[in-house]
Amino acid sequence: GQNIDQPTEMTATEGAIVQINCTYQTSGFNGLFWYQQHAGEAPTFLSYNVLDGLEEKGRFSSFLSRSKGYSYLLLKELQMKDSASYLCAVERGYQKVTFGTGTKLQVIP
Amino acid sequence: DTEVTQTPKHLVMGMTNKKSLKCEQHMGHRAMYWYKQKAKKPPELMFVYSYEKLSINESVPSRFSPECPNSSLLNLHLHALQPEDSALYLCASSQEQVKNIQYFGAGTRLSVL
Repeated sequence: GQNIDQPTEMTATEGAIVQINCTYQTSGFNGLFWYQQHAGEAPTFLSYNVLDGLEEKGRFSSFLSRSKGYSYLLLKELQMKDSASYLCAVERGYQKVTFGTGTKLQVIP
Repeated sequence: DTEVTQTPKHLVMGMTNKKSLKCEQHMGHRAMYWYKQKAKKPPELMFVYSYEKLSINESVPSRFSPECPNSSLLNLHLHALQPEDSALYLCASSQEQVKNIQYFGAGTRLSVL
C-alpha cells in the first residue's frame, strides 16, 4: 500500500514560522509536490522536489530527503490567509500522484 | 491563463439518473485527470488521459465512465451511482514534460440521493 502521513492539524501565530512534515512509503518515487487547499476550493501548486535538498520560493520552502522518505514545507512570516490545508503528494509513477492525509493549518492573531 | 473550468459546480442526482461532469482547459496541456475528494480527505486519483487516450484507471467502478473528446475537454459520465459516491469531483491538467505540475479546477460537488 501507499502511506503518506502528515499531522492532522497545526496552529501557529501570525508572523511566525511553521514547519509541516510529511513522511512517505510508496511503491515508486518520481517527485514530491506540496499543494495548498482552502476550504471549498481547488488545490493550488506550491512546490516540487525531486532531488534531496531545499527549494525556496518566497515565503515558502520545501525540503526533501529521499533516503529518509521525508519532506517538509516551511512557511515563514505567516499571514492569516495562509490558514488552509496543506497536502503533500508523491508522484510514485508516471502521472500517478497519491496525496497525503493533509494538514489543516490555522493561523491565529 | 492557468484556468481549469468545471461544470456544473453543484449536482444532485438520483440513483437511477444519468449525468455528466465537464472539464475544460485551454493551456495546451496534454494530460488530464479526474479525482474524487470526500470531506476532510485528500483527493484520490480516478482516471488519467494522456494525449486523449486513457492511460490510468485506478480500478474505478464502471458506473463512472470517462471520455476525452479532444485535448481541451474531459467528461465524466455518471450512471446508477450510489449515495457513497457523493463527493467533490476534481479535474486537473498538466503539461506532460514539465514536472507534471497539476492545475486543478474548482470541482463539482455531487450529491447522490
